[in-house]
Amino acid sequence: EDKVVQSPLSLVVHEGDTVTLNCSYEVTNFRSLLWYKQEKKAPTFLFMLTSSGIEKKSGRLSSILDKKELFSILNITATQTGDSAIYLCAVSFQGAQKLVFGQGTRLTINP
Amino acid sequence: GAVVSQHPSRVICKSGTSVKIECRSLDFQATTMFWYRQFPKQSLMLMATSNEGSKATYEQGVEKDKFLINHASLTLSTLTVTSAHPEDSSFYICSATPVGLNTEAFFGQGTRLTVV
Repeated sequence: EDKVVQSPLSLVVHEGDTVTLNCSYEVTNFRSLLWYKQEKKAPTFLFMLTSSGIEKKSGRLSSILDKKELFSILNITATQTGDSAIYLCAVSFQGAQKLVFGQGTRLTINP
Repeated sequence: GAVVSQHPSRVICKSGTSVKIECRSLDFQATTMFWYRQFPKQSLMLMATSNEGSKATYEQGVEKDKFLINHASLTLSTLTVTSAHPEDSSFYICSATPVGLNTEAFFGQGTRLTVV
């Protein structure tokens, strides 16, 4: 059975802190790993990672994939209250477009 | 980026009635669309894969007679919740990926269903 596991499930930090969110997976026919941010409605796309070791960056967010150890991390530096959201990790598959999601990490940034 | 439009965004219905939710890809064709369900404070759970011109593929534990899926064209999939019960109250969201592209999935805005 395909599994995507995120940790921690919940995280509360102060504004300005740096956070690291984890995502591990055990799937067959892996294609890529995706990170999404969900606030109130639809998830917003952050990153898609297909190759190991190549860091993707967007402002204060960055992510990297390790296909040998089967995990990815999402880093957020200098956190702001607007970063408060659920962060979802998902895996896509060769030959199929469906996504399997992890449980999500609920991140709360306190002022 | 590609746009997926989902309607309605919010619906309240009485127990026993049916509700139809539409998912449209506005600027691309999608032979396959996906329907997810999300309970409060939980992640997205794949319910079914909607295939244009053929039967949907349902995930284990999802009742196909309860959640009817129709994918009649390359830009439209519908999910009908039949004989709705309060336990069907949830956030339903669809996604699609342009045919032949290895890109991220694009999500509709989601539909919050409340059955009273």
